[in-house]
Formats: sequence, C-alpha cells, structure tokens
Amino acid sequence: DQQVKQNSPSLSVQEGRISILNCDYTNSMFDYFLWYKKYPAEGPTFLISISSIKDKNEDGRFTVFLNKSAKHLSLHIVPSQPGDSAVYFCAASPGNQFYFGTGTSLTVIP
Amino acid sequence: DTGVSQDPRHKITKRGQNVTFRCDPISEHNRLYWYRQTLGQGPEFLTYFQNEAQLEKSRLLSDRFSAERPKGSFSTLEIQRTEQGDSAMYLCASSLLTGADEQYFGPGTRLTVT
Repeated sequence: DQQVKQNSPSLSVQEGRISILNCDYTNSMFDYFLWYKKYPAEGPTFLISISSIKDKNEDGRFTVFLNKSAKHLSLHIVPSQPGDSAVYFCAASPGNQFYFGTGTSLTVIP
Repeated sequence: DTGVSQDPRHKITKRGQNVTFRCDPISEHNRLYWYRQTLGQGPEFLTYFQNEAQLEKSRLLSDRFSAERPKGSFSTLEIQRTEQGDSAMYLCASSLLTGADEQYFGPGTRLTVT
C-alpha cells in the first residue's frame, strides 16, 4: 500500500519561474516530512523538512508547505534553475521508519 | 569522512548465488537504514539499526535477507539464494540519533540477478 503518493511523474518549468511539486499521504500518524533530490547514479540528497507542528518551512529558494487536514504537502522552488533538474522524492515518517513517494522528475528549461 | 559509502557500486550475479553489500555510514551517526529501490519507485524501507541493534524490519525483508551492524559501525546486507526479483538498487542511509532526522544516503549498490 502506497502511503505516500506523488501523482505527477514529471514536471517542466521555465528557468526563473516557480516549480511546485506535490505530495499526498494517507497515514495520519506521520509527523515528519522531508523532500529529497536525486541525480542519476547518486543517492537521494536531503533538501528540506517540516514537522507536523508547522505549516511552512523555508530555506533559501525552497519552501515546503504542509496542509495536515488535506494530508498534502508541496515543495516550491523559486526561482527555478537548470541545476534543479532532478527527481524529487517526498518522504514521511511516524517516528522511526520513512516512507517515500514514487518521485517527480523536474526539468527546468533554460 | 565525507559521507556514506557503499561497496560494491555494481554487482551482477547468477540466480541462486549469495551476495553481500557493505555500507559505511557517517562516523558520528548512530542510525543506519537499508532501502531497496526499483525503477520508477521511491526507496522502500528494509531495516534499520540504532547502533548495533536492529530495531525494525520491513515485511518486505524475506528470510533470505539478513543485515548486521557489528560494533555499531559499518553494516552488511546479505541476500541468500538470489532471485531475479531481487534486482534493484540497494541504498544505505545514516542519521544522527534523534526522534526524526534527515537521512544521508550513500550512492547505492545496483544488483542485477541474471
């Protein structure tokens, strides 16, 4: 059962514009959420996280929003840069175990 | 220490053979995780250690899979009697000992079972 879902397998955005990646989850016990970026032939790299007690966390160009009532989180990248082109995974945890979505491949067009 | 390392990076084996992978975490990290990732999927949790204790195992981890972390440092993942369905990327990650913390991933070991 897929407890974390990323329904958009791919996304293309013009350089300088906003990229919005979405993630939905089903388990109300999840209390910690993370976004990872993955380049080919490398392991995922941590980007940003958010605790369930917050609804927004910002780090430079990256902002994560959490809507607990909708069980939805999103990652905003502003402005998007060509180097942001990668696969983005969201992950959620109820404590010790992490559940990952299937990923969204972001392409930023110069 | 620059990050999590995994060895080998690639492994090709014949069905029925045993394989063993090694993971060296970031030195001060107490927690170590193993994941499996297949094409088009996100990493799937297999097991995790806190120091040398294996605290949780996924039901995905059949009896043919075993993991160890002697002395709470490096870890090994062994797959016995490999099957073609075991072909995947095996990822290791480590994190500090906190309730919830970002994990740092290694580059993975790609296993191909022929």
